[in-house]
Formats: sequence, structure tokens, C-alpha cells
Amino acid sequence: EPEVTQTPSHQVTQMGQEVILRCVPISNHLYFYWYRQILGQKVEFLVSFYNNEISEKSEIFDDQFSVERPDGSNFTLKIRSTKLEDSAMYFCASSEGGRYSNQPQHFGDGTRLSIL
Amino acid sequence: AQSVTQPDIHITVSEGASLELRCNYSYGATPYLFWYVQSPGQGLQLLLKYFSGDTLVQGIKGFEAEFKRSQSSFNLRKPSVHWSDAAEYFCAVGAWTGFQKLVFGTGTRLLVSP
Repeated sequence: EPEVTQTPSHQVTQMGQEVILRCVPISNHLYFYWYRQILGQKVEFLVSFYNNEISEKSEIFDDQFSVERPDGSNFTLKIRSTKLEDSAMYFCASSEGGRYSNQPQHFGDGTRLSIL
Repeated sequence: AQSVTQPDIHITVSEGASLELRCNYSYGATPYLFWYVQSPGQGLQLLLKYFSGDTLVQGIKGFEAEFKRSQSSFNLRKPSVHWSDAAEYFCAVGAWTGFQKLVFGTGTRLLVSP
């Protein structure tokens, strides 16, 4: 069964450094998402992406965050200047459909980001 | 705004016993509802989904869930729990603001005792 893959599984970064989290969505999916889960808290929506542009973003997704689909297969989340509170598990997801679709999102195994 | 409540943080069930995990949602329109499971060190795996139609939905691994609009609930059930079911379970509602966005509950950690 096709799956969403994320790399790396664990990223340790110094505060203030830039970090890029990578995701390879399922190949025929068109809608891409990032979520995060701070330890002990709920999974929170960050951003959705379709047709090479952001379709929706949450309040968490401020100017320090950006997403990109640099080629036909990868989907990345960049944090420009990391803060301690960015430490979390970041999940990438993809779905076949988006607007009013009944296609569910499929999630990767996540990248655990630790900011020192 | 949409929200999901999972009132039980932890639940312990004996192997072979039945299971029900509670989920209540708040959403102004017809909800799209999901249950995901997260095993330690793993991502979120879709167990089942409700979009419309039959209010009792079947999922993978022997799980089922029932949508009750009058109670704003979408409880997850399994008739006989296996030790491998020990994991964290998340209920989510799909918020249709043009594009799909999932709003998750805080999760219920299931422990299975021998």
C-alpha cells in the first residue's frame, strides 16, 4: 500500500537555526498538509497546499514557516529561525481530493524536531 | 469553531474484553468524522471514516464507529480487544472551509491488560 514518507525521523537543531522537514506524499495525491503535535498535546493543523500554493494556514503558521513543492515528488516545511517552542512532532499528510472530497488524509510517521 | 472532545485520557481494558472510546464533536454543518490510531513511534493510521449514509461504519482491524447526530458523538467500538490494539486513538472532524482541515481531539491512550 502506498504511503507518505517523511525524513528525517528525528532532527535536532540549535535555536535560531533554519530547519527543513521533508515529505514524499502518495504519488497520485494532489493535496498536501502539515500538522504538528507538541508533546502531550493534540495534533494541530498548520497548513494545506494545493496547486503550488497555500490554500489555508493556521495562526501557528506565521512568517517563520514556509512550504514548498520543489519538484514533482517532495513537499517541504521550512522553519526559518527555530524557537524552543517549535519542538514537536511534525506530520505530513496527503489526500487524493480536497474541496468537499470524501477522500481521507494519509499521514506519514512524522519527524520529531528537537530545538536546543 | 470546530472542536473534538475525547473525555478519556487513558483507558485500560482486559484482552478479549469489549472496548468503547468516546468522541464528541462540535461543528455547525454535517461533519466528516475520522478515527486515527497512533502506535508508539508511528504515524497516524486511518481506522475508519464517516462522510454520509449508514451511521454505523466499519473500519480496519475489527473496529467500528457509530455516528449519532442527536448526541454529537462518534464513538469507536471493538467487540474483543487484542494486545496489539494498545495505542493512542484520535478522533477528528473534517472542517470544510473550502479545503479539508482536520481538527483532532486530545487522544485516548488504550492500555490492554493480560
